[in-house]
Amino acid sequence: KQEVTQIPAALSVPEGENLVLNCSFTDSAIYNLQWFRQDPGKGLTSLLLIQSSQREQTSGRLNASLDKSSGRSTLYIAASQPGDSATYLCATRMDSSYKLIFGSGTRLLVRP
Amino acid sequence: DGGITQSPKYLFRKEGQNVTLSCEQNLNHDAMYWYRQDPGQGLRLIYYSQIVNDFQKGDIAEGYSVSREKKESFPLTVTSAQKNPTAFYLCASTRQGASEQFFGPGTRLTVL
Repeated sequence: KQEVTQIPAALSVPEGENLVLNCSFTDSAIYNLQWFRQDPGKGLTSLLLIQSSQREQTSGRLNASLDKSSGRSTLYIAASQPGDSATYLCATRMDSSYKLIFGSGTRLLVRP
Repeated sequence: DGGITQSPKYLFRKEGQNVTLSCEQNLNHDAMYWYRQDPGQGLRLIYYSQIVNDFQKGDIAEGYSVSREKKESFPLTVTSAQKNPTAFYLCASTRQGASEQFFGPGTRLTVL
């Protein structure tokens, strides 16, 4: 059974710092991996999706990498801003039923 | 504007009552999902439906029921059999063959 872990659970950094959020998974036979952002009391916003055949995806200041063999993905945020403060969740999809298995998230605070 | 709507945003229920959470999408997506999120945790799948008039149990279906009579609608009923229903409920959808899931804004259910 797939298990997804995100460490650390919380992170506080000063504005302008580059940072890396980690996501690990136990079953490497994934179809894809998706990174989401969640603001307090809100739904999830999709940030990046990496297919199993890809190594990384980029969108603006965000870069997500995928290493299936080691069961790891990282989300790199460049030049962090206070507006980046949110919880970041990763999720893996295992098969064509589109079910997602979520990690518990990393709560990020970017201090002005 | 295309998207997923959930109503109500906040819902209060007395013990022993059934309540129904609404989820509607105008994205013409085929598959729809219900997730539950508890504080500080990731999302867990309750039910999902890949086609009208068909749905499957997720990981925590006990105490919940769903219907899929129309492509755009996937209501979730939280029954009195659900022992700990207080949580944040999120609905999602995806297009047939696509990988990316899109989420609604969520409904926060509190049992009094």
